[in-house]
Amino acid sequence: EAQVTQNPRYLITVTGKKLTVTCSQNMNHEYMSWYRQDPGLGLRQIYYSMNVEVTDKGDVPEGYKVSRKEKRNFPLILESPSPNQTSLYFCASSFPGQPQHFGDGTRLSIL
Amino acid sequence: SQQGEEDPQALSIQEGENATMNCSYKTSINNLQWYRQNSGRGLVHLILIRSNEREKHSGRLRVTLDTSKKSSSLLITASRAADTASYFCATQGEGNKLVFGAGTILRVKS
Repeated sequence: EAQVTQNPRYLITVTGKKLTVTCSQNMNHEYMSWYRQDPGLGLRQIYYSMNVEVTDKGDVPEGYKVSRKEKRNFPLILESPSPNQTSLYFCASSFPGQPQHFGDGTRLSIL
Repeated sequence: SQQGEEDPQALSIQEGENATMNCSYKTSINNLQWYRQNSGRGLVHLILIRSNEREKHSGRLRVTLDTSKKSSSLLITASRAADTASYFCATQGEGNKLVFGAGTILRVKS
């Protein structure tokens, strides 16, 4: 089954404790992206990747890192999480110019 | 940066009625896409309309695009309770980037 898988689905953690949210897709998509969703703001892009070893900043990249060492994986790293990063996070993937496939989301709470 | 702005923010209708949601955007686009999100879940792609198209249909969905007014509308005909969800428009320009609006919350009462 074609899918984008994110882990974990839920995480409660504390300020400053490094965390990684994993994202994996099985559709051989070149393009992958991370979004955060906050009430009233829709989805905002954090980082994206056009292909392996090619990543770039989206609209709200501060406090986040990503890597794209393999085509299928695109982890999101929070080196020193802060409460303003509490949000619902989505990973998505697609072929260029095509609709994006989304994971089920990761709800992150940082205390 | 938020490009698409949906209107209304929330819509409540009876089952069987039609639901219309509007989206306006600011810059030139390659295509405009509509997505649906059930509560707390990931977004699901509904329909894509290219900048050189004016109207597109998919089942009970009808999307229009007016590039001169930089606006689009999504019509859901004969709505069902299962259509209750949030609906987002997203514009795509060069480089594959999608820019989402804040969404319309649709509630269909049975």
